[in-house]
Amino acid sequence: QQQVKQSPQSLIVQKGGISIINCAYENTAFDYFPWYQQFPGKGPALLIAIRPDVSEKKEGRFTISFNKSAKQFSLHIMDSQPGDSATYFCAASWDAGKSTFGDGTTLTVKP
Amino acid sequence: DVKVTQSSRYLVKRTGEKVFLECVQDMDHENMFWYRQDPGLGLRLIYFSYDVKMKEKGDIPEGYSVSREKKERFSLILESASTNQTSMYLCASSNRWSYTFGSGTRLTVV
Repeated sequence: QQQVKQSPQSLIVQKGGISIINCAYENTAFDYFPWYQQFPGKGPALLIAIRPDVSEKKEGRFTISFNKSAKQFSLHIMDSQPGDSATYFCAASWDAGKSTFGDGTTLTVKP
Repeated sequence: DVKVTQSSRYLVKRTGEKVFLECVQDMDHENMFWYRQDPGLGLRLIYFSYDVKMKEKGDIPEGYSVSREKKERFSLILESASTNQTSMYLCASSNRWSYTFGSGTRLTVV
């Protein structure tokens, strides 16, 4: 059972454009929503995260938008750069440290 | 700099061998996890542990076992390696909220 559904599977964006990755969940017990960034040959690393009592969180060029009523959240990468090319995973956490992950989105930013 | 360290980056083993993948964290986290990552399949949970000597099966535990004798160390064991266990293996530890992953071990079973 896929608890977090992530789309698209892959994304190609021109340098300077906006990259948008979407996730949807069903379980209202989730209380923390992190995003991870993974470069080839490395493990995923925490990028940015949000709690459900906040509708938006911004860190530099990365923004999470959270819609609690729709049970959806998304990652926006502004002014996308070739160095942002990576795989991105959304996740939802609950119950003292358990997380479930989306299937990942491979982002390619073309120069 | 806090970290999760996996003992090997690359490993090549023969079919039928017993394989040990080691993971150590220095963050005093209670929770530790083993995932495997295959193209197009995302992160699949093999086993996790919430405390020393405690373990729970994840989504794909068949063919694997784990050991957690100390809080900082979580080992994944392939009892009899098979070619379908060729994969990238990721260890992670977590506090209440987010995970810290190791760099992964790419295991090839020939």
